[in-house]
Formats: sequence, C-alpha cells, structure tokens
Amino acid sequence: EDQVTQSPEALRLQEGESSSLNCSYTVSGLRGLFWYRQDPGKGPEFLFTLYSAGEEKEKERLKATLTKKESFLHITAPKPEDSATYLCAVKGGGSNYKLTFGKGTLLTVNP
Amino acid sequence: EAGVVQSPRYKIIEKKQPVAFWCNPISGHNTLYWYRQNLGQGPELLIRYENEEAVDDSQLPKDRFSAERLKGVDSTLKIQPAELGDSAVYLCASSPRQGTLNEQFFGPGTRLTVL
Repeated sequence: EDQVTQSPEALRLQEGESSSLNCSYTVSGLRGLFWYRQDPGKGPEFLFTLYSAGEEKEKERLKATLTKKESFLHITAPKPEDSATYLCAVKGGGSNYKLTFGKGTLLTVNP
Repeated sequence: EAGVVQSPRYKIIEKKQPVAFWCNPISGHNTLYWYRQNLGQGPELLIRYENEEAVDDSQLPKDRFSAERLKGVDSTLKIQPAELGDSAVYLCASSPRQGTLNEQFFGPGTRLTVL
C-alpha cells in the first residue's frame, strides 16, 4: 500500500524567511510525485509533477526536488500570499493510477 | 477555460437523510474522480470514471454511496442514508486521459455537514 508522510504538520514563517517542507513516501513503482496547494474553502491546485530521482522543478518562489525516498518543497523568501496547505501525493504503478495524498503542511507566512 | 464545477458548495442535512452532489468536469476530460477529504487530512479517492465506466470503485462504501456518470460528462455522487461520519468535503477532479501522468484538476468541493 502506498504511503505518504508530510512534515511538519504546520509551519509558521516570517516574510522572507526561507524554509523547506518534507514529503516522505513508500510506493511500489513510483509513476509520479505531485505537489498541490490548497487554500481554505478551495480544491487543491496543481503545482508540480516529479517523475524520477534527481529531478527538480521551479515556479516563482517554489522549488520541488525528488529523491528515491522523499521530496522537498523549498520556499525562498516567502510572502504572506504563499500561506496555504501544501499537499504531496504519489501515483504508483500498482495502485490503478490513483493518487495517494499526505495530510499536508499548513504554511503561515506572517508579514 | 472553465474549471471543474461542483454544486452545491455547502449542504447541511440531518442523519438518515439522502444527499446528492453534482460535478461538471473540464470540457474534453475523459477521466473523472470523486474524492472525500476529512478535516486535516488529504483527499481520499472514492471512485474513478473513464468516460461513463466506473473503473475503480474499490474505496466507495457501496451500502450507502452510489455514483453515476451518464453520457460520460457530468457526474452525480449520492449518499443514502447519510451518517454523522459522512461529514467531509467531497471533491471532484478530472484529467484528460486514463493511465497517464497528467495532473488532476480539482473543483472547489462540496462541504457536507450531517447533524
């Protein structure tokens, strides 16, 4: 069974204070690792897909990296508008292509 | 391009009552998903459709939950009768094709409260 563990559960940063969110996973035959952002009262919004160890992707202040056991979402010089819950999900080859999500990290960026 | 549309956005019912949720996916997306998200948790898949066929409903509690996707476009998820533990956000998502690594696009969800 695919499993995803995200840490920390909650993170509070000052504006401009860079940090990283962690996503550890166990999956049979990783087909893709996905990062989503979820604002209160809204559905998850797609950010990145990573397919293999060593891959990196960037979007504005966010950078996602992938190893064989975990993924990091690095946030550089965050702004208050980056405050949201960040969800990590994996898609394994043995799971009928369904996404297995972690519980998410609630990020709060104070001005 | 319009996103995934869901209605209603909020629903409050008493236990044992029936409830239904509606989803209109992104135009041209053949794959449709229903997820349930409990407070403080990530979404969990309930059912996946390829066109009008339910290809993965292993997580759907079939004693009280049912779903349909007539004509392979809109979908309805029904609960009858609802229980207190069904209180959650029900999310609909769509993606272009089955078996690919395309990302899933989510709707805003329906927040269900069962009293």
